[in-house]
Amino acid sequence: GQNIDQPTEMTATEGAIVQINCTYQTSGFNGLFWYQQHAGEAPTFLSYNVLDGLEEKGRFSSFLSRSKGYSYLLLKELQMKDSASYLCAVADSNYQLIWGAGTKLIIKP
Amino acid sequence: ETGVTQTPRHLVMGMTNKKSLKCEQHLGHNAMYWYKQSAKKPLELMFVYSLEERVENNSVPSRFSPECPNSSHLFLHLHTLQPEDSALYLCASSQEAGDPYNEQFFGPGTRLTVL
Repeated sequence: GQNIDQPTEMTATEGAIVQINCTYQTSGFNGLFWYQQHAGEAPTFLSYNVLDGLEEKGRFSSFLSRSKGYSYLLLKELQMKDSASYLCAVADSNYQLIWGAGTKLIIKP
Repeated sequence: ETGVTQTPRHLVMGMTNKKSLKCEQHLGHNAMYWYKQSAKKPLELMFVYSLEERVENNSVPSRFSPECPNSSHLFLHLHTLQPEDSALYLCASSQEAGDPYNEQFFGPGTRLTVL
């Protein structure tokens, strides 16, 4: 079966760095996405990785290792507005997105 | 209006009611999706439409009936629902269905409660 695993909840301090991990087992791989979802709002796109390595975009970076079926989202200089759920999703062989349950990130002052 | 809009934002219905959810995208995309989001569960893909043709139906019960009259509008018709169908229903669109890079743009969702 297809499976995406990520921690249910994480807590971090304002100004710090946090890494959210995602492991996957899917039938085929056509890229991995990270989305951010604030409570009561729509998910919004953060990043897309299809090749191994690190993609940096401002305070957010996303890493992919296809051989390990592993990705992480790195958030630096955390701000209170970063409190949200972070969803990992993999595009399978049919280009359909398989979603993880999301990681709820709580930022404390 | 820009992006993806959904109406209503909140809906409470009895098990014998019939209601419809509406989604509209103003992005010129060719693919539209319905998802179900339940608390602490992964997003569940329900239906995919590409250029108004249904290309995917992920074993969704027949009490959910989608309709895509054109590439900008998507409906989800609901009838004789069960309490376990209570969830957030998200609509999304993307440039094409089946592209390797398939960033999806989501609407704000309809929070459905079935009594």
